Parts: sequence; structure tokens; C-alpha cells
Amino acid sequence: DAGVTQSPTHLIKTRGQQVTLRCSPKSGHDTVSWYQQALGQGPQFIFQYYEEEERQRGNFPDRFSGHQFPNYSSELNVNALLLGDSALYLCASSFGLADPRGDTQYFGPGTRLTVL
Amino acid sequence: AQSVTQLGSHVSVSEGALVLLRCNYSSSVPPYLFWYVQYPNQGLQLLLKYTTGATLVKGINGFEAEFKKSETSFHLTKPSAHMSDAAEYFCAVSTNTGNQFYFGTGTSLTVIP
Repeated sequence: DAGVTQSPTHLIKTRGQQVTLRCSPKSGHDTVSWYQQALGQGPQFIFQYYEEEERQRGNFPDRFSGHQFPNYSSELNVNALLLGDSALYLCASSFGLADPRGDTQYFGPGTRLTVL
Repeated sequence: AQSVTQLGSHVSVSEGALVLLRCNYSSSVPPYLFWYVQYPNQGLQLLLKYTTGATLVKGINGFEAEFKKSETSFHLTKPSAHMSDAAEYFCAVSTNTGNQFYFGTGTSLTVIP
């Protein structure tokens, strides 16, 4: 049973560019959350997708957007990249909101984004 | 609002010694509490969690944590440290199924041979 997978592993972009990160949830999970982890910090919640809708959003600007597909996989898009967007981006999946097992999030290995 | 404070950004212990990593939380509703471990260049791995029921919870790799409501704490312990325990440890709080997680800033554990 594959866990949460993310692609690509590493990415280098320049300021002003746009980037798309991808996530496939753990088998059976239908909820995907995205987190940004800056160097030396704990993960910060960006947003969560459930049933292809953005359900919750953290304190991130509109430059950060996402999408969830019918197969529950998800994308994170960041426009107009800034140097401060350099971080490890983590995807986490979980069971649905009405599922008592949905209290736990399982994380992927992350995508390391470097903005030059 | 929810938040987590991890006291001690760096902890060093000798191999075989007790590991104690501290976590205090703030929550306006009954919390769900988690400990995750992160090895270099990897994602987060769940160590253990508390949602309801028994306040002493056991996790993987010999770790355990105790939920103390009166102290708003959820400290992580392991009786005997192993070299393979060296990693970054994160405490997180949530408030319900499906809700976002709030993480602490992490504690880096070093195990000295």
C-alpha cells in the first residue's frame, strides 16, 4: 500500500515564475492538506481540499491556489514566486471528515522548492 | 485559537538515557494531540496521537506521551535513547476530525554515543 507521494522531489525557480506541485494521497484517503515548512520551522497550514473543494485555508495569500481531482490527487500552485517562498512543501492526506479515522494526517516526503 | 509551544529547540542525550521532549498547547476546545518525527530530507512520520480515552499513549519505536489537561502538556518520552532516534520532533494540535494541524517549531534531538 503506497503512502502519500509527491512530485517533484526538488524544484528550482526564479522570482516571478509560477510552480505546480503534485500530491497523490494514501490509498482510501479523500482529503488532502498542504503545508509549507520553512527552514528551521514547523509546518504551516496552507489549505485543505475535500470533495474537490477548498474546505479550509490558512493565512497565505491568493498567490497560493490548489486543486483536487476526482481521484483525490491534488496540486498546489504558487504564482509570482518570491524568495520567501523557498521551503519544503508537504502534502498530507486523511480519511473523510465524517470518518472517525479522519483525525490523523499522513505526510508525504515533500517537495523542496528553491526560489532564486 | 490553537497553538503549540515546544520548549527547547535542541536536546542532547546520551545513548541509553531518558528522552524527554516538552510540548505545551493552547486550545479553546478539547485538543487532539500528535507527535511526529522528521528525519533529514524526509517528510513527517506519525509517532503517536491522543484524541480521547486513555491519557497515556504509546507509539512506535518505544515512545510514549501523556496528556495532562491541568498542565496543558503532552510531553514525549522514551526510557532509553538509541542512536537512530536522532531527528527533528514536532508536536501538533488539532481540534476535530479533519481540522488543520498547528505545529510547534520542533525540537532537534541529538543522541551522543
